[in-house]
Amino acid sequence: DQQVKQNSPSLSVQEGRISILNCDYTNSMFDYFLWYKKYPAEGPTFLISISSIKDKNEDGRFTVFLNKSAKHLSLHIVPSQPGDSAVYFCAASGGGSQGNLIFGKGTKLSVKP
Amino acid sequence: DAGVTQSPTHLIKTRGQHVTLRCSPISGHKSVSWYQQVLGQGPQFIFQYYEKEERGRGNFPDRFSARQFPNYSSELNVNALLLGDSALYLCASSSRPTIVTGELFFGEGSRLTVL
Repeated sequence: DQQVKQNSPSLSVQEGRISILNCDYTNSMFDYFLWYKKYPAEGPTFLISISSIKDKNEDGRFTVFLNKSAKHLSLHIVPSQPGDSAVYFCAASGGGSQGNLIFGKGTKLSVKP
Repeated sequence: DAGVTQSPTHLIKTRGQHVTLRCSPISGHKSVSWYQQVLGQGPQFIFQYYEKEERGRGNFPDRFSARQFPNYSSELNVNALLLGDSALYLCASSSRPTIVTGELFFGEGSRLTVL
């Protein structure tokens, strides 16, 4: 039973355009949502997070939006760059998960020059 | 400053064998977590240790065990290996016992192949 779902295994966008990665969750008790980026042969690295009491958090080219009523969050990357090509994982904490994160399956983003 | 270091980076075992994976957290971090990432899936939580005590355990069989040492390094042990144990095993460290914002730092992982 997946509590965090990323339904798009892959996404391809042109350099300079917007990348939108989506994530859905089922546990309404989650209180923190995070995005991690993973390059091949490296561990995941933290990108951006959002508390459940907010609906938007922005950090440079990266913005995360949270829609609690729809149990949906999205990561926007503007403008997309070839170096953004990686696997992006959505993760959640809280709701009984205590000190650990519950990850989605990931979305592979390819940014074409 | 050194990040999270894991060893070995790659290893091959046969079914029924035992494996020990090691992790050194970032200096000053007292929490170590272990995650299993099977190909095509997201990381799945196995264990968390904070201040040498087990703080959380994921839905894994008793063949999986872990411990944390006084210097906060950690070992993950898997007995009676199965083909399905083939995965990337990630260690993550944090200064806090629970996840707040994004302060969970991952190592590069140990790639285990079970034949």
